[in-house]
Amino acid sequence: NAGVTQTPKFQVLKTGQSMTLQCAQDMNHNSMYWYRQDPGMGLRLIYYSASEGTTDKGEVPNGYNVSRLNKREFSLRLESAAPSQTSVYFCASTGGGLNEQFFGPGTRLTVL
Amino acid sequence: QKEVEQNSGPLSVPEGAIASLNCTYSDRGSQSFFWYRQYSGKSPELIMFIYSNGDKEDGRFTAQLNKASQYVSLLIRDSQPSDSATYLCAVRSSARQLTFGSGTQLTVLP
Repeated sequence: NAGVTQTPKFQVLKTGQSMTLQCAQDMNHNSMYWYRQDPGMGLRLIYYSASEGTTDKGEVPNGYNVSRLNKREFSLRLESAAPSQTSVYFCASTGGGLNEQFFGPGTRLTVL
Repeated sequence: QKEVEQNSGPLSVPEGAIASLNCTYSDRGSQSFFWYRQYSGKSPELIMFIYSNGDKEDGRFTAQLNKASQYVSLLIRDSQPSDSATYLCAVRSSARQLTFGSGTQLTVLP
């Protein structure tokens, strides 16, 4: 049982490049989330998927797109990376009634 | 106004002391409250949750909730250097979402 996995762990992009961050969970959870974490800003929700086939914007969705590929996988895409998207990205999932969220190990992204 | 507020710290306490971490929230309809611990360079991990007014104890950790005053706190008794981390308060707002505070950095001095 791996929990929540994310790839890659580290990535450096140039401005304007695109990339997809991958997330998968093996806990049979319905809901999945993408956050970004910047110094002093806590965790900010980018997008979430309450169930397979649905996605919704969070607090900071601009510049990102998501795909809920199936119940296990939820990907985050940056179409044209900008230096302001330099951050640590966490994927999380939840399936319980109290909404405890389980986090992946994170992806550290630098955009030059 | 941020929906979930925490003192950013840093908060320093000596080993063996009680560390007190506080969090206030703005949405009176909030139902569930969580404390996550995050070590530097790692992902957040859940240490406590509470949904009823009063205290909830788990080992050296006690979560306290006061819905009328809209605050939730975390007490760490007999603090250890291994407790040094950033503590994130999270509140269930709606639509199965959590809103996080910016975190309080705790340092336990040996």
